[in-house]
Amino acid sequence: NAGVMQNPRHLVRRRGQEARLRCSPMKGHSHVYWYRQLPEEGLKFMVYLQKENIIDESGMPKERFSAEFPKEGPSILRIQQVVRGDSAAYFCASSPLAGDLTDTQYFGPGTRLTVL
Amino acid sequence: AQRVTQPEKLLSVFKGAPVELKCNYSYSGSPELFWYVQYSRQRLQLLLRHISRESIKGFTADLNKGETSFHLKKPFAQEEDSAMYYCADSGGYQKVTFGTGTKLQVIP
Repeated sequence: NAGVMQNPRHLVRRRGQEARLRCSPMKGHSHVYWYRQLPEEGLKFMVYLQKENIIDESGMPKERFSAEFPKEGPSILRIQQVVRGDSAAYFCASSPLAGDLTDTQYFGPGTRLTVL
Repeated sequence: AQRVTQPEKLLSVFKGAPVELKCNYSYSGSPELFWYVQYSRQRLQLLLRHISRESIKGFTADLNKGETSFHLKKPFAQEEDSAMYYCADSGGYQKVTFGTGTKLQVIP
């Protein structure tokens, strides 16, 4: 099991461009979470998704940010018209559908977004 | 709203000294508490869960509901313990609230 995969690992965008971050959960996991870590701060929850459903997006900024987890393929976090303040590390985590460790989250290596 | 507080950004201890990383939570229901660790250049990974009552790499953490705390402890620090440590609470829900993290630096 390759673990949670995220790509790209580093992404550089100019202000106004779009950023697309991808996350492939661990095999057999159907819950995906996205977190943002600003410099010198802890992890902040953004959104929780299951296949084809957004379960909790209370941590997502109301504008420019969106997330999806389609039936096939990776989960995508999309940031439109990026601004300098979006520069951060974005982490994805997944957890299994059922079982004793459903609360345990397995993290990807993160994508470091830099907005110029 | 859930809140997890880790009051120390940095904790430096000498090798062989005891370690205590503090964590307090605010959720008033049934907390589901975790400690995650991030070693240098590695991804965040689970260290231990309170419901498992386990000891991992010599670390233990006891849930104290009276003090709403879940401090992480180890009697004798090792150099390889140097890392970022995050306390987290899922409060029985899938949404996990993380503290801001404490960087543990073990001085040889």
